[in-house]
Amino acid sequence: GEDVEQSLFLSVREGDSSVINCTYTDSSSTYLYWYKQEPGAGLQLLTYIFSNMDMKQDQRLTVLLNKKDKHLSLRIADTQTGDSAIYFCAESIGDTGRRALTFGSGTRLQVQP
Amino acid sequence: DVKVTQSSRYLVKRTGEKVFLECVQDMDHENMFWYRQDPGLGLRLIYFSYDVKMKEKGDIPEGYSVSREKKERFSLILESASTNQTSMYLCASSETGTGLSLHFGNGTRLTVT
Repeated sequence: GEDVEQSLFLSVREGDSSVINCTYTDSSSTYLYWYKQEPGAGLQLLTYIFSNMDMKQDQRLTVLLNKKDKHLSLRIADTQTGDSAIYFCAESIGDTGRRALTFGSGTRLQVQP
Repeated sequence: DVKVTQSSRYLVKRTGEKVFLECVQDMDHENMFWYRQDPGLGLRLIYFSYDVKMKEKGDIPEGYSVSREKKERFSLILESASTNQTSMYLCASSETGTGLSLHFGNGTRLTVT
C-alpha cells in the first residue's frame, strides 16, 4: 500500500503555533486530509485540501501543500490545551467509487500550559 | 449529525473464538470501512465496502472477513481470534464522491487472551 509518514510527537506551549508535517506517496491523490483524535474517541475530520490548491485557511488552521515534494503540513495558530490530541494526515487511494483513505501513524500533540 | 455506532466498547475473547464486531450508521452512506489502530502504526485498512454485498480488501485483510447484507450495517468477523489481533478497531462510513469525509465510530478495544 501507499505510505504516509508523520513524526510521532510534538510538544508546544499554550499560545504558540504548532506545525505538524506529513509526507505522502500517491501523486494521484485528489484530496489530502487532516483528522483529529481526542482520547477515547474515534477520528474527526478537521480539514482537507484539494490537490490543485497550495494553501487552505480555516480559522486557526492553515494547511500547506507542496505537491512537488509530496509534503503536507497543518499549522495551528494560538494553540490551546484543548488542541492536545493525535493528528492524522490521510490521502485517498483507489479508483473512483472504490476509494479508501490511507492514514499516517499520527502525531501526538501535547500542549503545555 | 452522522452517527456511527459500534456495538461494543470493550471486548475480551479467547484465542480461537469466532468474533463479530458490529457497526451501524444512520446516514444512508454507501461506503463503510474497518480499520485497526495500533500505537506507532496509525490506522491500517482491513476491509471496506462501497455497496451492499460488495467488499474490497484493504492492506491487512488476513485473518478477517466482512459482511454487508444491509446498507447501514457492516460487520467485521475474526474467524479464529489470535493474540496478534488484540487492537482498537474503528469503523467508519462516508458518502460516495470524489472527496472522502469519513465519519468514525468510537472504536472497539478487543483483547484476545
